[in-house]
Amino acid sequence: QKEVEQNSGPLSVPEGAIASLNCTYSDRGSQSFFWYRQYSGKSPELIMFIYSNGDKEDGRFTAQLNKASQYVSLLIRDSQPSDSATYLCAVWTSYDKVIFGPGTSLSVIP
Amino acid sequence: DTGVSQDPRHKITKRGQNVTFRCDPISEHNRLYWYRQTLGQGPEFLTYFQNEAQLEKSRLLSDRFSAERPKGSFSTLEIQRTEQGDSAMYLCASSLSGGGITDTQYFGPGTRLTVL
Repeated sequence: QKEVEQNSGPLSVPEGAIASLNCTYSDRGSQSFFWYRQYSGKSPELIMFIYSNGDKEDGRFTAQLNKASQYVSLLIRDSQPSDSATYLCAVWTSYDKVIFGPGTSLSVIP
Repeated sequence: DTGVSQDPRHKITKRGQNVTFRCDPISEHNRLYWYRQTLGQGPEFLTYFQNEAQLEKSRLLSDRFSAERPKGSFSTLEIQRTEQGDSAMYLCASSLSGGGITDTQYFGPGTRLTVL
């Protein structure tokens, strides 16, 4: 089992819709969870992090964490074409190491 | 600009040559990471430093790869006798970590290496 898994996509949503990106992880003792956005040919850019169960909102982005299910998600409301990118989930594990998932490619169709 | 910087941004080399990349982290950050990323994959951990100490090195890192952070500030990553399989984006990230602070990493722009 891979340590951090994400649906590879591509995920296509129409402009204005909600995009839902999912991530599961294997280390039950993981402490913090990060979402990065990466445009083609560019480096990852931090969107937000979450470390408590529940929801955390920042503008159009909401991260959701369920440690019991070892699941973290990112919702993007009112999706825009500029949101088209690859979204990377990263997990700070109990052994003090950050592991990245393979990323989910999102395409927002105008 | 006080973000993470990397130099060069692009490097084209012939197989068998040595290459060296530099990373300047955010000034107050104590941790510095090197990752490798290929198309369609997430960043793959190579090594990291806390201050000047290299704390972990991936098993994926062959003895052709070496990294240093001599004064706990900038870091260099050297690849000796490059192979075509080394072609990738090499990413550097830094963070302020320890004492329970969440290890939030900020990435530099990357160095794209092409080995011919």
